Amino acid sequence: DQQVKQNSPSLSVQEGRISILNCDYTNSMFDYFLWYKKYPAEGPTFLISISSIKDKNEDGRFTVFLNKSAKHLSLHIVPSQPGDSAVYFCAASYGGATNKLIFGTGTLLAVQP
Amino acid sequence: DSGVTQTPKHLITATGQRVTLRCSPRSGDLSVYWYQQSLDQGLQFLIQYYNGEERAKGNILERFSAQQFPDLHSELNLSSLELGDSALYFCASSERQLETQYFGPGTRLLVL
Repeated sequence: DQQVKQNSPSLSVQEGRISILNCDYTNSMFDYFLWYKKYPAEGPTFLISISSIKDKNEDGRFTVFLNKSAKHLSLHIVPSQPGDSAVYFCAASYGGATNKLIFGTGTLLAVQP
Repeated sequence: DSGVTQTPKHLITATGQRVTLRCSPRSGDLSVYWYQQSLDQGLQFLIQYYNGEERAKGNILERFSAQQFPDLHSELNLSSLELGDSALYFCASSERQLETQYFGPGTRLLVL
């Protein structure tokens, strides 16, 4: 049962344009969402997070939007740069006594120069 | 560099063997998490420790065990290894239980 889904395995974008990565979840108990970026042979790197009490969080070129009614979140990268090329994972947690992360399957972003 | 270190970086072993993976969390972090990334399963949570105590278990096999020591480093022990245990094993840490997790570079395990 895949509780966090990233339906696009890959995305190609031109340098300078906007990249939009999408994530859907099924469990309404999730209250904290994160995006991680992963390069080959490295561990996931934390990018940005959002609590379920917010609908938007922004950090530099990265903005995460949360639509709780649709159980959907998205990561916007503006402007996209070739160095952004990586696999992006969406993750969710319940909070409570533990914040174990439930990960999506990832989206490979390729930013073309 | 996240500040989380994992050793070894690569490990090649045979079926039936036992291995130990080591993780040192970021300085000051009390919580350690272990995740497995295999080709067909993605990143899966295995187990969490907080200040030496087990706090949560995911889909961790009975052949696998972990512990967190008084100096807060953690070890993941994998025994009676099978071909399907070949995967990347990541450790993550956070300052407290509900903080953002920072990941180490991973240990790539290959079981032949």
